[in-house]
Amino acid sequence: AQSVTQLDSHVSVSEGTPVLLRCNYSSSYSPSLFWYVQHPNKGLQLLLKYTSAATLVKGINGFEAEFKKSETSFHLTKPSAHMSDAAEYFCVVGRDTDKLIFGTGTRLQVFP
Amino acid sequence: NAGVMQNPRHLVRRRGQEARLRCSPMKGHSHVYWYRQLPEEGLKFMVYLQKENIIDESGMPKERFSAEFPKEGPSILRIQQVVRGDSAAYFCASSGISGGSYNEQFFGPGTRLTVL
Repeated sequence: AQSVTQLDSHVSVSEGTPVLLRCNYSSSYSPSLFWYVQHPNKGLQLLLKYTSAATLVKGINGFEAEFKKSETSFHLTKPSAHMSDAAEYFCVVGRDTDKLIFGTGTRLQVFP
Repeated sequence: NAGVMQNPRHLVRRRGQEARLRCSPMKGHSHVYWYRQLPEEGLKFMVYLQKENIIDESGMPKERFSAEFPKEGPSILRIQQVVRGDSAAYFCASSGISGGSYNEQFFGPGTRLTVL
C-alpha cells in the first residue's frame, strides 16, 4: 500500500524568504513521487517528479525536492518565495500509469 | 497542442438530477483518469480507463456513478440522482502509452459540480 502525509496544512512565508513544504511517504516498493501545484480555481500543474534517478530533483519555477529513503521524505523547497507562489501544493505518490495518491495539500501564503 | 479539456467548467444540478461530465484527453493520449476533490481536501482517485475499457474503478462509489471512454469521442463521467454530497471538483487527467516507465498525467481544469 502507498500513502503520503503532508505535515503542514498551511505555511506562511514572507516574499524573498525560503520555502519548505514537508512530505513523508509510505510505499512497499520503490515509489514515484511528485509535487503538483494548484492555483485557485485552476487545474493542477506538475512541479517535479522523482522516478528513481537522481535523488535531488529540480522542477519548474525554482522549486526542487530531495528524495531521502532513510527518512521516507520528499520535501519541497525553494530558496526565495515569490508572491506568485501562493497556491495549494500536493505531494503525490504513484507508479507507472497507475492511479495517483494525493496528500491532503499544503496551502502556501506569501506575504509582501 | 491543446491540453486536456473538460466541460462544462461549472455545473449546477438539483438533487435527483443527472450530471454528465466530459473529458477530452490530450492528442495521442489513450489513458484517462478521473479524480474527485471535495472542499478542503486532496484529490481522490475514482477510475482509470483506456479506450472502451475500464482498467481500475476501485475509487468509484458503488452506486449512481459510472464512467466510459468510447472508441470515438470524450470520456464521460456520469452521476445519476445527484445528492448534495456529490458537490465537488471533478478532475480528468490523461497520459500516453505506457512504455514501462512513468508517463506523466496531465490534468484538465476540472468541472465544479454544485448540487442544490
